Amino acid sequence: EAGVAQSPRYKIIEKRQSVAFWCNPISGHATLYWYQQILGQGPKLLIQFQNNGVVDDSQLPKDRFSAERLKGVDSTLKIQPAKLEDSAVYLCASNRGLSSYNSPLHFGNGTRLTVT
Amino acid sequence: GQNIDQPTEMTATEGAIVQINCTYQTSGFNGLFWYQQHAGEAPTFLSYNVLDGLEEKGRFSSFLSRSKGYSYLLLKELQMKDSASYLCAVRRLTGGGNKLTFGTGTQLKVEL
Repeated sequence: EAGVAQSPRYKIIEKRQSVAFWCNPISGHATLYWYQQILGQGPKLLIQFQNNGVVDDSQLPKDRFSAERLKGVDSTLKIQPAKLEDSAVYLCASNRGLSSYNSPLHFGNGTRLTVT
Repeated sequence: GQNIDQPTEMTATEGAIVQINCTYQTSGFNGLFWYQQHAGEAPTFLSYNVLDGLEEKGRFSSFLSRSKGYSYLLLKELQMKDSASYLCAVRRLTGGGNKLTFGTGTQLKVEL
């Protein structure tokens, strides 16, 4: 099966600019996640979707970050305006669904964002 | 809240055995995952435990004690390619469903 697709792979922007990331999960996976991974740390959940609805966005900095999954398939994550501390790898992951007993997360290769 | 602790770094010798520990404090515990992450790559799934005991999968085994809030990942017959970060992730059941939280990861270096 095809894996989780993310683009772009790398992005360099200046602070206060905006940026968008795209993710296409594994076909049939109902749950989609965006994680932020700062160098040397574990991934931190930003937002979790079940189909096209938000399940958890408690750690999403909503003053600058937004995400959508309008048709319940692919998703975009946007940052506007970016800050230096947003420099990180943004990982998209998917799995079959919230009720799946031991369904592991499948991660994309991530987008490495550098804010200068 | 939730707290997950892992050692930051470990070093081991090729061919040896290494044990990476993970302790956690959480409510609504609903499973523990181990992931491997090579530098610059995405995390990949290694193992899953929800009941107490040992799960073995080839050279990798994972153990869970729910009463102690403790898990370990055991890597046998270490190979150079096992040099990576190992992430412990705890899943808990919340009002909104299952939520997975990662520890900071243990950077394992395998030496000759």
